Amino acid sequence: ILNVEQSPQSLHVQEGDSTNFTCSFPSSNFYALHWYRWETAKSPEALFVMTLNGDEKKKGRISATLNTKEGYSYLYIKGSQPEDSATYLCAFSSGYALNFGKGTSLLVTP
Amino acid sequence: GAGVSQSPSNKVTEKGKDVELRCDPISGHTALYWYRQSLGQGLEFLIYFQGNSAPDKSGLPSDRFSAERTGGSVSTLTIQRTQQEDSAVYLCASSSQVAGSGEQYFGPGTRLTVT
Repeated sequence: ILNVEQSPQSLHVQEGDSTNFTCSFPSSNFYALHWYRWETAKSPEALFVMTLNGDEKKKGRISATLNTKEGYSYLYIKGSQPEDSATYLCAFSSGYALNFGKGTSLLVTP
Repeated sequence: GAGVSQSPSNKVTEKGKDVELRCDPISGHTALYWYRQSLGQGLEFLIYFQGNSAPDKSGLPSDRFSAERTGGSVSTLTIQRTQQEDSAVYLCASSSQVAGSGEQYFGPGTRLTVT
């Protein structure tokens, strides 16, 4: 079992706040790091897949960075909106299967 | 286009009964995965199918669990003699890429409750 840790476990912010989450993963046998967003009653949705050390990806107000040497990735949300409320999952791959963390549950209130 | 579909969406069964969960992947996706999320846990890998190759069953928690994929498309996950600890959300995902660097597209899941 490959240990993927996410922090914080949950987060409650006000609309307009910027926030970030951390994912730590094994730094050996790295193949890819995924971020998914999982809204209640919906399917997990891919946000980013990153493979190279130093990768930075952005989608709208959400961005992510990757450090494979030290084994961590950050997900940033700028100007949080209520529709950003969801669980954000990080997953590490050393091959084809994904090893998921337990997620960070984000609640954004107006 | 159509996404990954799963059925049933909810299943309540009595301890000791067998259940079958179905997954229809996105057409053309050669890779298919089964995961489950038990209460308070992260998503746990169960099994991986790639084309016509032998599946990787390394994540299956016991020999009561089995899965097949017919014609490289639809997959069925079978749990025999269900136990209460099998209660979880079972998610299926498919991908157009062989390796773990490809996005996986998830279905809505089957919530299994064993009473």
